[in-house]
Amino acid sequence: AQSVTQPDIHITVSEGASLELRCNYSYGATPYLFWYVQSPGQGLQLLLKYFSGDTLVQGIKGFEAEFKRSQSSFNLRKPSVHWSDAAEYFCAVVLNPGGFKTIFGAGTRLFVKA
Amino acid sequence: NAGVMQNPRHLVRRRGQEARLRCSPMKGHSHVYWYRQLPEEGLKFMVYLQKENIIDESGMPKERFSAEFPKEGPSILRIQQVVRGDSAAYFCASSPPSAGQETQYFGPGTRLLVL
Repeated sequence: AQSVTQPDIHITVSEGASLELRCNYSYGATPYLFWYVQSPGQGLQLLLKYFSGDTLVQGIKGFEAEFKRSQSSFNLRKPSVHWSDAAEYFCAVVLNPGGFKTIFGAGTRLFVKA
Repeated sequence: NAGVMQNPRHLVRRRGQEARLRCSPMKGHSHVYWYRQLPEEGLKFMVYLQKENIIDESGMPKERFSAEFPKEGPSILRIQQVVRGDSAAYFCASSPPSAGQETQYFGPGTRLLVL
């Protein structure tokens, strides 16, 4: 079935440690790919997106993501996590140019310990 | 340079009442999308509207739910005769009229609680 999968429901990392959040999709063609962050009680903020070109995408707040076509993955990374990064992270796709239905994964909740 | 605005931010209704959720898109945006987030889940697409037109409502429940985006004023998501299962966060997003529907800008959401 077509889907966006975030295998980790929650992750805990120490402040200053590196972070990788996993995302896999199962669609025939490469969709447009997004990562959003949602702080408690807040809306979604776009961290970064990939449409084409360089497979390593830089985003806001020091995040980056790498698209790997062979693995159908778009994992989010940050070299050094700050306590303020504690939030829920959603991977999302749009299936085709001009598409408008953003399809979200179930989310990964990030906890940061001191 | 306000972003997408939604009100109310929190709404409490008793079963059987009506809920009206409002969304004002970003300035210059004429496309509006509504999504629902059930507890512990990701967002699910409900409906896509342009001014005075429903473009796609494939994610809307067949009964009790309706949406509009009039020529003037905000977009409204209306839920009639609410039930406990309607308790969720409802997010609105907008995009500009030209190409770029893929990138949507989200509002802070309305958290609906049905007692």
